[in-house]
Order: sequence, then structure tokens, then C-alpha cells
Amino acid sequence: ETGVTQSPTHLIKTRGQQVTLRCSSQSGHNTVSWYQQALGQGPQFIFQYYREEENGRGNFPPRFSGLQFPNYSSELNVNALELDDSALYLCASSLPAEETQYFGPGTRLLVL
Amino acid sequence: AQKVTQAQTEISVVEKEDVTLDCVYETRDTTYYLFWYKQPPSGELVFLIRRNSFDEQNEISGRYSWNFQKSTSSFNFTITASQVVDSAVYFCALSEPSGGANSKLTFGKGITLSVRP
Repeated sequence: ETGVTQSPTHLIKTRGQQVTLRCSSQSGHNTVSWYQQALGQGPQFIFQYYREEENGRGNFPPRFSGLQFPNYSSELNVNALELDDSALYLCASSLPAEETQYFGPGTRLLVL
Repeated sequence: AQKVTQAQTEISVVEKEDVTLDCVYETRDTTYYLFWYKQPPSGELVFLIRRNSFDEQNEISGRYSWNFQKSTSSFNFTITASQVVDSAVYFCALSEPSGGANSKLTFGKGITLSVRP
């Protein structure tokens, strides 16, 4: 069984640029959630995708957006990057109505 | 709003010592789930255990045990005979409805556990 995978592992961008992060869910999992983890903090919920639609969102501005594809993989897009967007971005997959979320290794984003 | 408090920030023990990681939560929901995750230096969050609000039975799994008490809103995690490989950041999390198909997780700030040889 393949676990959750994310790409790239590391990324460096400059302020104002745009970035796309990718996530492949665990086999059979059709729900994907994204979290942002700042250094020394716990992960913060960004949004969740189910059946290719955003299905729940945390306290993040609209410049954070996403997509889910028919194969359940997902993208997180961040426009107009700010220095505070520097963080570890974690993707988690789960089955619908299954409370346990399984996380990928994350993408470390550094905004200069 | 839901909240998870992990008052301990860093714990350092010598190998083979027992260590307890504390977690206190706040929620208005009557049905909820509590979780512990482990985050090694690689960054990936590793699922350890899930407990639902109706099941206060404590659980033991190998060297790990969990003590869930609704009366004190606590869900503590004990590692018996700690090992160097247990060194990691440990997160307690609480599920809450996100308006979507699954709940979202609210995490505490994490406890950094260092086990010295």
C-alpha cells in the first residue's frame, strides 16, 4: 500500500511569486486535507478536498487555493507569496467519514 | 472554539525512563475524536492512536499507553522504558467538523521529547 506522497520536498521562492505544491493520497483515500506548520508550531488546517471540491476551509486568505483531481491527488496553490508563508506544508489523506488522517512527508517552503 | 493545550514544551529523559506527555483539550462538541501523532526530524506526522469521546477505556500498545479522562478533558500519553528512537515532537490533536466530508484537526503546539542514551 502506497502512503501519502508530496512534491517537491523543498522549495525556495521570493516574495510575490506563486507556488504549487502537489500531493498524492494514500491508495483508496478520496479526501485530502492541507495543513501549514510554521516553525515550532502545530499544524494549522488550510482546507479539505472531497470529490474534487473544496469542502471545509480554515482561516486562510483566498490567495491559498487548491484543486483535487479525479485520481484524488491534489494541489495547493499560493499566490503573492509573503515571508510568513515560509513553513512546512503537510498533506493528509483519509476515507470519507473516517476520522484518521494520514500525513505525507511535507514540502518545506522558504520565501525570501 | 476548540483548543488543545500541551503545556510541556520540551522533555529530556535518559533511556529506559518512563515519560508522560500531557494533553488538555476544550470543545463544546459531545462527539469528538482525540489523536496523538509523532513527528520525527524528517517532518512526516506519524499516526499513533485515535480515541472517540464515548470510549474512555485506557489503552496499552507495547511500550505506549494512553489515559483518556473526560472529567478533566485530558488525553495523556505515556512511553514506558523510553528509547532513543522515541526522540521526536509529539502532537495531540482534536477533531472538529470542518463542514466537509471529514473533520479537521486542531493541534497543540507539540512536545519535543529527547531521549539520551
